[in-house]
Formats: sequence, structure tokens, C-alpha cells
Amino acid sequence: VQLVESGGGLVKPGGSLRLSCATSGLRFDIQWMTWVRQAPGKGLEWLAFISGAGDHTMYADSVTGRFIISRDSAHQSVSLQLNSLRVEDTATYYCTTLHYHAFNFWGQGTLVTVSS
Amino acid sequence: QSALTQPASVSGSPGQSITISCTGTSSDVGAFNYVSWYQQHPGKAPKFIIFDVTNRPSGVSSRFSGSKSGNTAFLTISGLQAEDEADYYCSSYTRRDTEVFGGGTRVNVL
Repeated sequence: VQLVESGGGLVKPGGSLRLSCATSGLRFDIQWMTWVRQAPGKGLEWLAFISGAGDHTMYADSVTGRFIISRDSAHQSVSLQLNSLRVEDTATYYCTTLHYHAFNFWGQGTLVTVSS
Repeated sequence: QSALTQPASVSGSPGQSITISCTGTSSDVGAFNYVSWYQQHPGKAPKFIIFDVTNRPSGVSSRFSGSKSGNTAFLTISGLQAEDEADYYCSSYTRRDTEVFGGGTRVNVL
């Protein structure tokens, strides 16, 4: 299984960014996927998950209404749209698989920096 | 969604056993057997080492073991080795159909 995140970078407060995660080596059509972030020097924070069929999504309270998770079966990828970004959203964002509520495979992460 | 509570750090000498606690509530850790543990070395992505409270993924050392009592889960590392020095995180599924991590524990090998 390989997960490769992209799309991170520097963005101003209030701005938007779209992160992508390219997957390979897994049954994408049935694999639940999530995004987890880690602020510099801090712990892990779960952000969102999406079911294999894409018909069920859930979000952490901290990002509900601002972030949107989606998946593209044709490209076997999952995305996270980040809107209304705040300085406190600065973090490394990881794409992971979710298997019976365990985060079993992780990408290497992509860094998002929110700063004016 | 409060983070699960873990001690900030735990230390041990090589060869010793240490245990890390992960305390939640009856709405997460106490409600399901969906507790997992992750190891993270500096600058690296986390690695999955325990799932469903007690199970080890293929390839993970048998020195790592998990358990749970009520609203608290535990990770025990036996025969502590220098390579075990890392940050450890627990996670749990919740009654709100969300996931939550613990705050993390730094393991120091003296």
C-alpha cells in the first residue's frame, strides 16, 4: 500500500487549499480513508473520514463546516478541501487508510502553513 | 471531542517493561474494543502497532501488547530497547461515530 499526499504549501489566513492523496496497492472501492493532522511539536488530530462508497463522511468538530473530504474512484485518490484557513490549521496533514477504526497505513504527510 | 488522556512521558531502562495508559470515557474507550496504538519516531509518519485493543499487525514485535480495563487502555512494551524511544499515541472510535487520538506519550529509554 502506498499513500502519497500533495497540495500543501503556504496560504494566508482565510484562504483555501486542496490536498490530494494518491493511493496504490489497495482495494480503493471498499477502503475507508481519513485525514489526520499534526501541528508542529504537537500530537495527532483526526480530521475526517469517508467510507469506501463515498456515501458516509464524518468530521471533527474543529473542522466541521470548513473542511470537505471527497474521493475519486477513477483516479483512486482522496482529497481534503481546506477553507477559511486559520493560523492554528498549520500542520502536517496525513492521509491514512481506516480499517475497523484503526489507522493502518499512513502517507508521509504534506505541510500546510497558514500565515500572513 | 476531547483528546484521550495519556501521560506526557514514561521512562525505562533497557530490558525493563513500561506501560502507557490511555484514559477516555464510556463514550469512546469504554464503549468499544476499537482502541489502537501508534509509534512515531521524530520526523517520521506514525506506525500502527496495536488494533482492537490487543491485536498486533503482522510484523510488529511481540514485545508490544495492549489491554483495556473500563475506560482506560494500556500499551505495554516489554524488554525495552533503544529503538523503542519514540512518541506513542492511542486512538479510539466514539459513540458520535468519530475517531479521537490521545495526546501522546514520549517514551525515554534511559
